[in-house]
Amino acid sequence: DAGVIQSPRHEVTEMGQEVTLRCKPISGHNSLFWYRQTMMRGLELLIYFNNNVPIDDSGMPEDRFSAKMPNASFSTLKIQPSEPRDSAVYFCASSSINQPQHFGDGTRLSIL
Amino acid sequence: QQPVQSPQAVILREGEDAVINCSSSKALYSVHWYRQKHGEAPVFLMILLKGGEQKGHEKISASFNEKKQQSSLYLTASQLSYSGTYFCGTEGNTDKLIFGTGTRLQVFP
Repeated sequence: DAGVIQSPRHEVTEMGQEVTLRCKPISGHNSLFWYRQTMMRGLELLIYFNNNVPIDDSGMPEDRFSAKMPNASFSTLKIQPSEPRDSAVYFCASSSINQPQHFGDGTRLSIL
Repeated sequence: QQPVQSPQAVILREGEDAVINCSSSKALYSVHWYRQKHGEAPVFLMILLKGGEQKGHEKISASFNEKKQQSSLYLTASQLSYSGTYFCGTEGNTDKLIFGTGTRLQVFP
């Protein structure tokens, strides 16, 4: 079975540019999670969806960050405008009810 | 409130044992344990549900004391492949996990 698929794997862009990260969850999973990982702050939950509906976005740092899940097989995390402090590894994970979360390989984002 | 893990780092020789602890200030429904190798995604190890059960996966086992809001991960007869950073993820009454501060484990031959 295919796991959680994230793209791109690496992204390097200049400050002020728009960044879009993509995630395809495991088929049949009804929950999707976006995390950010840095050395300083560890693994932080940004937002999660259940049945395509955003349930908790309290971890989204500020209005520059937005996430959508238009259908059960696709989600995006967008940063506009991007800043150097947004540099991190962004993970997407999915799960079904009472099951563990499965993580994608992550997107390593560098904002110059 | 992020769960606190201890110790922050452990260095072992192959064959030695280790215990990693995870403490939360909030009531817990379950505890999830993950291992992350450098440059890779976290990989699921096991879930413990409230009830104080102990689970095992090969030579890795864990316990959950819901009254103390603590979980411990036991690594027995460690192997080189056990090296990585271990995270506990705690779940309250929602689907979301709050991950702990992480414990870096290094196993040397």
